[in-house]
Amino acid sequence: GQSLEQPSEVTAVEGAIVQINCTYQTSGFYGLSWYQQHDGGAPTFLSYNALDGLEETGRFSSFLSRSDSYGYLLLQELQMKDSASYFCAVRQISGNTPLVFGKGTRLSVIA
Amino acid sequence: DGGITQSPKYLFRKEGQNVTLSCEQNLNHDAMYWYRQDPGQGLRLIYYSQIVNDFQKGDIAEGYSVSREKKESFPLTVTSAQKNPTAFYLCASKHDNTGELFFGEGSRLTVL
Repeated sequence: GQSLEQPSEVTAVEGAIVQINCTYQTSGFYGLSWYQQHDGGAPTFLSYNALDGLEETGRFSSFLSRSDSYGYLLLQELQMKDSASYFCAVRQISGNTPLVFGKGTRLSVIA
Repeated sequence: DGGITQSPKYLFRKEGQNVTLSCEQNLNHDAMYWYRQDPGQGLRLIYYSQIVNDFQKGDIAEGYSVSREKKESFPLTVTSAQKNPTAFYLCASKHDNTGELFFGEGSRLTVL
């Protein structure tokens, strides 16, 4: 089978740093993506890792370890607007086969 | 502006009725997808289409049907056979090179 595990909820203080982990077990692996979704809205793309290591995009960074089947999303200098659900998703092979999504982590940023 | 448009945003349906959700994209993407999202849950794949005139079942295709007669359009029909159709439905297309998914704003279907 295939599964992605991520925490269901995380709470963090405004201005702090939070890490959202994702472990995956899939029949194939090409890369790991992260998406953000605010309540009632559409998911939006945050980052994609195909190679091991850290990718940085402003306040957000994403890390991948292919040997550990593990990745994380790191959010720095948290803002209230970062309160949302965050989904990791595996791209199993190249081409247009669908992504496999985790169930999402609901991040609550508190003052 | 390029993007994906879903309609309607909200829809109410009586039990036993079929309903069709529209999804149109002007991004010139080959691949399109329909996902279902229930409260507090992730995205579950209903159907996908890698190219015009072709589509495949996803993980939860029972009670749904699709067509892909044009590259721009990928409508989803929720049939009366779908036992629990109340949900948030998301359509997406995929950038051919980067693999990034672009989502529509979603359609919220409520069965009364």
